[in-house]
Amino acid sequence: GQNIDQPTEMTATEGAIVQINCTYQTSGFNGLFWYQQHAGEAPTFLSYNVLDGLEEKGRFSSFLSRSKGYSYLLLKELQMKDSASYLCAVPDSNYQLIWGAGTKLIIKP
Amino acid sequence: ETGVTQTPRHLVMGMTNKKSLKCEQHLGHNAMYWYKQSAKKPLELMFVYNFKEQTENNSVPSRFSPECPNSSHLFLHLHTLQPEDSALYLCASSQEQGSGANVLTFGAGSRLTVL
Repeated sequence: GQNIDQPTEMTATEGAIVQINCTYQTSGFNGLFWYQQHAGEAPTFLSYNVLDGLEEKGRFSSFLSRSKGYSYLLLKELQMKDSASYLCAVPDSNYQLIWGAGTKLIIKP
Repeated sequence: ETGVTQTPRHLVMGMTNKKSLKCEQHLGHNAMYWYKQSAKKPLELMFVYNFKEQTENNSVPSRFSPECPNSSHLFLHLHTLQPEDSALYLCASSQEQGSGANVLTFGAGSRLTVL
C-alpha cells in the first residue's frame, strides 16, 4: 500500500529554522509535493521534487532522498505568517495525489 | 485569490435538504477535482474530471453527485447527507491529469455542516 507520514504539530520561534519531515511508501515514484495551507484558506503549492537533493526557493528549501523514502521542508528566518499547515503528497500510479495528514506549524514570538 | 472560486464558503444543511457546491476556475485548466478535508485527516480525493469527462470516482457515496458542464465549472450536488459528511470541501484544478509534475490550484473551500 501507499502511506505518507509527517508529524502532526511542531512549534518554532520567530527568526529560527524549522525542518518538517515526511516519509513515504509508494509503489513507483513520480515526485513529491509540498503545499502550504493557512487556516481557512486554500492549500498553495510550495515545491515539487523528483530528483534527489536540496532545492532552494528563498527562505524555503525542500529535500528528497528517494532511496530512503524521505523528504523534508526547511523553513529559515521564520516569520509569524509562516504559521500554517504543511502538506506532503506523492502521486500514485494513476498520478492522483496521496496526501499526508499535514503538519501544523506554530510560530511563537 | 488563487483563480479557483468556490461558493458558498459556508453551508449548513439538514439531512433531508438538497444543496449544491459550485466551483469555477479562470486558469484555462482542463482537469478539475473535488476533495474532502476533515480535521487532522489527509485530503480525500472524491472525483476527477479531465476535459469534462469523469476519470475518477473514489468510492464516493451516491448522496454526492458531481457535474462538470465545461472545463471551467464543477458542481457537487448534495442530498440526504449524514452528519459525518460535515467537512471542508475543496475544489482544485490543474493543466491536465496524468503527469507527475501536475500542480494543483485549490479554491478556499466550502465549509459544510450537516445537522
